[in-house]
Amino acid sequence: KNQVEQSPQSLIILEGKNCTLQCNYTVSPFSNLRWYKQDTGRGPVSLTIMTFSENTKSNGRYTATLDADTKQSSLHITASQLSDSASYICVVSAGFQKLVFGTGTRLLVSP
Amino acid sequence: DAGITQSPRHKVTETGTPVTLRCHQTENHRYMYWYRQDPGHGLRLIHYSYGVKDTDKGEVSDGYSVSRSKTEDFLLTLESATSSQTSVYFCAISETGDGNEQFFGPGTRLTVL
Repeated sequence: KNQVEQSPQSLIILEGKNCTLQCNYTVSPFSNLRWYKQDTGRGPVSLTIMTFSENTKSNGRYTATLDADTKQSSLHITASQLSDSASYICVVSAGFQKLVFGTGTRLLVSP
Repeated sequence: DAGITQSPRHKVTETGTPVTLRCHQTENHRYMYWYRQDPGHGLRLIHYSYGVKDTDKGEVSDGYSVSRSKTEDFLLTLESATSSQTSVYFCAISETGDGNEQFFGPGTRLTVL
């Protein structure tokens, strides 16, 4: 069964600190992996997308890594800001019209 | 929200009533999707469309129907709403259906009493 598991479920960090979110997947075949940010009451917005051959992708203070051998990805947030408080969703594409969504990590950045 | 609007944004209805949610895009993307988002679940695909009048089922399509009469509009209908359909509904659009990025609308919160 295709699955995407994210950890932790929720996380609280102090403003200015770094954090890393994890995504493990059992999806086959693998096409690409995305990280989305979802603010409360809004739709998800794409942060990064990585294909099989890419192992790192950055978007400002967000850096995603992918290890296709172990089927793991991480999202590292550097120098967190209050505006980083959101849910972060890992999504794996198994091909045409086959997206598998994780349940997300809820991040709260505290002043 | 990438030129995507959803209406209504909030709706409360009673069990057994019909409900229609509308998604409107200004991006001229071919593919449109309806998802539901519930606590403890990832986003789940209800139906999608790959062109005008062309639609297909997703993993949780029971109790829902869709229609797409124009490129820019994709309607989701609950023929007879049930409490289990209380959820947040998201519309998404994509230029291609082969794993290309999907852009999401702002969502509709539906409560069925």
